[in-house]
Amino acid sequence: NAGVTQTPKFQVLKTGQSMTLQCAQDMNHEYMSWYRQDPGMGLRLIHYSVGAGITDQGEVPNGYNVSRSTTEDFPLRLLSAAPSQTSVYFCASSRGGAIKETQYFGPGTRLLVL
Amino acid sequence: GENVEQHPSTLSVQEGDSAVIKCTYSDSASNYFPWYKQELGKRPQLIIDIRSNVGEKKDQRIAVTLNKTAKHFSLHITETQPEDSAVYFCAATFPGGGADGLTFGKGTHLIIQP
Repeated sequence: NAGVTQTPKFQVLKTGQSMTLQCAQDMNHEYMSWYRQDPGMGLRLIHYSVGAGITDQGEVPNGYNVSRSTTEDFPLRLLSAAPSQTSVYFCASSRGGAIKETQYFGPGTRLLVL
Repeated sequence: GENVEQHPSTLSVQEGDSAVIKCTYSDSASNYFPWYKQELGKRPQLIIDIRSNVGEKKDQRIAVTLNKTAKHFSLHITETQPEDSAVYFCAATFPGGGADGLTFGKGTHLIIQP
């Protein structure tokens, strides 16, 4: 199993540009989520999904959209990038359910918005 | 929502000594508390976790304790080694039906002095 994969690894955007960060997992996990990591701030939850077709907002959802059309994929969209969105983005997945499960993280995407 | 406080932000210990990192949480409904280790430029990786029905859990040199009444939990690393140098994050479950979203502390940079 590849686990959780993310593309691209690095990206530079100009203010106002749009892009999609890709995330995929091959573990048949129901739960997927996106976090951003900024220096001194830990990881903060952006959006999450408890299954295909279901998404919800986390702590810092503004400026980001998500969709979950399949169990495997959970892309994160920036519609109009802003310098404040410069960060490292991690996707994570877990089996989900009533009993909390280990979350597995992808390798991350470093995004720089100029 | 949940709030997780983590201390200290930086911890320097001599190789072979013990290290303790402490976290407090605000939501008494939280029931899952994982600890992640993140090496420079890498993804966070789970090192140990504890559920609210358990007071202590050990795995070789690593242990976690949970005090539900006081709403705090701690990571203990004994006989520290150079490879223990990393940033450590505590986390607690994000309140919400069926969601596995985690609220993270801001991290502790552990430095092992030779």
